[in-house]
Amino acid sequence: ETGVTQTPRHLVMGMTNKKSLKCEQHLGHNAMYWYKQSAKKPLELMFVYSLEERVENNSVPSRFSPECPNSSHLFLHLHTLQPEDSALYLCASSQGLRNTGELFFGEGSRLTVL
Amino acid sequence: SQKIEQNSEALNIQEGKTATLTCNYTNYSPAYLQWYRQDPGRGPVFLLLIRENEKEKRKERLKVTFDTTLKQSLFHITASQPADSATYLCALASSNTGKLIFGQGTTLQVKP
Repeated sequence: ETGVTQTPRHLVMGMTNKKSLKCEQHLGHNAMYWYKQSAKKPLELMFVYSLEERVENNSVPSRFSPECPNSSHLFLHLHTLQPEDSALYLCASSQGLRNTGELFFGEGSRLTVL
Repeated sequence: SQKIEQNSEALNIQEGKTATLTCNYTNYSPAYLQWYRQDPGRGPVFLLLIRENEKEKRKERLKVTFDTTLKQSLFHITASQPADSATYLCALASSNTGKLIFGQGTTLQVKP
């Protein structure tokens, strides 16, 4: 139990569907992240939020839309995805952005786009 | 361009031996480096952090070295056990942005 909870753990969706991934952290952290992990590739940083404000958007296609309503919750809204978007989506949190603290990851949401 | 390289081939060793994993980087001046463990279908879990002015860090059976001249970190697991089998990720943080960039990971298999 890392203190970061992601739901759903598995998601299968068609290319025309709209779905959302949810992340909740119980650690009192100020920064939250979305990473994408594809097979045999490094973790790719997608979005960073600090105190509910988006501070980084790594050239992610607009079919991925993040939302951070408060410092404990982070969503990733998905619409009109492509099969190549199938991957493990990991949420993480840290105490702050510019300290040397570790990232606490959730267990991930395994997404399959048909 | 900035690059982090970990051995993409799996490392197979016998139980009780020391496992050594390598993380090399180029075009990078990291402020610190972290190592994570990831089990199949799970999120990465933090293991150790070493700063640019530290040469070595230890935690129980784990040891990390950081050579900023060679631009390399080595991760050692002594007296390895089958339970140590997992993928190990290195991650570097820029001194400018603090952004953490990950390598692709090396899979370790410890055989009984």
